[in-house]
Amino acid sequence: KAGVTQTPRYLIKTRGQQVTLSCSPISGHRSVSWYQQTPGQGLQFLFEYFSETQRNKGNFPGRFSGRQFSNSRSEMNVSTLELGDSALYLCASSLGLAKTQETQYFGPGTRLLVL
Amino acid sequence: AQSVTQLGSHVSVSEGALVLLRCNYSSSVPPYLFWYVQYPNQGLQLLLKYTSAATLVKGINGFEAEFKKSETSFHLTKPSAHMSDAAEYFCAVRASGSNTGKLIFGQGTTLQVKP
Repeated sequence: KAGVTQTPRYLIKTRGQQVTLSCSPISGHRSVSWYQQTPGQGLQFLFEYFSETQRNKGNFPGRFSGRQFSNSRSEMNVSTLELGDSALYLCASSLGLAKTQETQYFGPGTRLLVL
Repeated sequence: AQSVTQLGSHVSVSEGALVLLRCNYSSSVPPYLFWYVQYPNQGLQLLLKYTSAATLVKGINGFEAEFKKSETSFHLTKPSAHMSDAAEYFCAVRASGSNTGKLIFGQGTTLQVKP
């Protein structure tokens, strides 16, 4: 099976712009989660989608949003970019049964640089 | 609320030496614990997970971890370090019984392996 794919892998934007990142989960997985990774804050949970519904949301401003499509692919959007949004954005997929032993499989990430 | 603390942001060992990466968790309910590894410019790869079936968990690449409830610890070990083990390691927790796949990560430990 193909793993989790994320596009684009690298992105450079300027302050004030908006950006959309895409994530394709492993075939058959219905849950997609997003995480932000920065040197200062580490790995922080952004949100989780299951069957096109947001199941959980992290403590991020409303500029961060996401959605999931019927084929389980997910996008996240960041509007009005700030310098502090520069980070590695990781997507993870799982079957979505919310069983505690369920494994989340991570994609390679999208590295966003805001200038 | 769940949390994870990784003791030591950097650990340096010689090739062939024992690797010990420390992780302590805080959880009011039985936790489910994971260790992930991240190589440079890559996403996270699951090393192993604790699912309450056994306190000693064996993972990939010769790593193992022991769950100790009395010490609220889940330390990662490997008897003999290889150069290829140099990477960043993350301990993560997910609350049992919750309808979410959200993972809470520790700050990470960078493992350096010296020849």
